[in-house]
Amino acid sequence: DTGVSQDPRHKITKRGQNVTFRCDPISEHNRLYWYRQTLGQGPEFLTYFQNEAQLEKSRLLSDRFSAERPKGSFSTLEIQRTEQGDSAMYLCASSSVTRGDGYTFGSGTRLTVV
Amino acid sequence: KQEVTQIPAALSVPEGENLVLNCSFTDSAIYNLQWFRQDPGKGLTSLLLIQSSQREQTSGRLNASLDKSSGRSTLYIAASQPGDSATYLCAVPYSSASKIIFGSGTRLSIRP
Repeated sequence: DTGVSQDPRHKITKRGQNVTFRCDPISEHNRLYWYRQTLGQGPEFLTYFQNEAQLEKSRLLSDRFSAERPKGSFSTLEIQRTEQGDSAMYLCASSSVTRGDGYTFGSGTRLTVV
Repeated sequence: KQEVTQIPAALSVPEGENLVLNCSFTDSAIYNLQWFRQDPGKGLTSLLLIQSSQREQTSGRLNASLDKSSGRSTLYIAASQPGDSATYLCAVPYSSASKIIFGSGTRLSIRP
């Protein structure tokens, strides 16, 4: 297993455009998490899935944000009508409820809204 | 509500020194604590995971301790090297089976 993969690594978009990020978790992990990180801060929780069910969403996740994990494998995070304040690093992580070996993070997607 | 604090926010030491990074959390009812390393512009790399039943974990030059009763964890780095320069983050679960909450990290710089 190659770990958690995120695509793209970098995305520059104009304000008002829609963007979509993808995350492929470790195959044995049934939980998948999205976090957002701005400069100088720790990652902030956005949402998480257990298999295909979205179990929790942060209040940070406005109605412009939507996440899916349709088959319980990869996940997508879409931001509609992007704003400059959406510029951040978007991190994906996965974990196994049964294995209890902690969280594994991907390399992140750096979003810049101009 | 769980809150995580890391002190200091930044630390610069000469190469070869031993150092300690601190992490404190407000709700001691955690079932594990995880330390991560983050290089600039990169994702997070897991360093150590301490289960609530453990008091410490070691990996190479790194040793992490956990004192649930006082709500504290420390990450000890022995014989620091310039390659250790990075931001170190600690994280604890918010509840028994959901998201983890991070501190703001300690930005470590090791001077050659």
